[in-house]
Amino acid sequence: DVKVTQSSRYLVKRTGEKVFLECVQDMDHENMFWYRQDPGLGLRLIYFSYDVKMKEKGDIPEGYSVSREKKERFSLILESASTNQTSMYLCASSGETEPAIEQYFGPGTRLTVT
Amino acid sequence: GQSLEQPSEVTAVEGAIVQINCTYQTSGFYGLSWYQQHDGGAPTFLSYNALDGLEETGRFSSFLSRSDSYGYLLLQELQMKDSASYFCAVRAYGFQKLVFGTGTRLLVSP
Repeated sequence: DVKVTQSSRYLVKRTGEKVFLECVQDMDHENMFWYRQDPGLGLRLIYFSYDVKMKEKGDIPEGYSVSREKKERFSLILESASTNQTSMYLCASSGETEPAIEQYFGPGTRLTVT
Repeated sequence: GQSLEQPSEVTAVEGAIVQINCTYQTSGFYGLSWYQQHDGGAPTFLSYNALDGLEETGRFSSFLSRSDSYGYLLLQELQMKDSASYFCAVRAYGFQKLVFGTGTRLLVSP
């Protein structure tokens, strides 16, 4: 079974804090993704990575950065958390075998910024 | 860019059949996929239509018509456990990322 784990289920941070969200997958997948999910807006892609040290911006990268130093680990960084970054954050991974449309999601981190 | 539209909410009773539509504005994509997400849970992959037509997997079927820019997920013999949000998604040629629809919340009542 593919397993994608995220470091925390719930996180409360203060405005201006630096926040790290960690994601680990155990299926040797090349592709990893970070989404945020807000009511009525569906899943929006923040960043993704298709290889170690490679990253590409998604649809809403502003205020976020990512790091992928090892194949199994993809980190999302909020450099200076703001209240509008309060959201559910979902990590996902997929293999590179085309069409690579099946993504495996972690349980999510519900982040509250006060 | 790509956009996928879904109804925000659908309600039905146990044992009924429900259809969740997905209309999209995109071209040159691999196919239409569907994900299910229960409250508090992670999205999980349900189905994928690479070609036009109907794909059946147990109580769930999915349909794609590229000429009509339209697809749907059909759920038969509804059960309470089918209450969840359902998302359609596409991956455009030349891109690694999936684009998800806004999601449809299905409420199944007794």
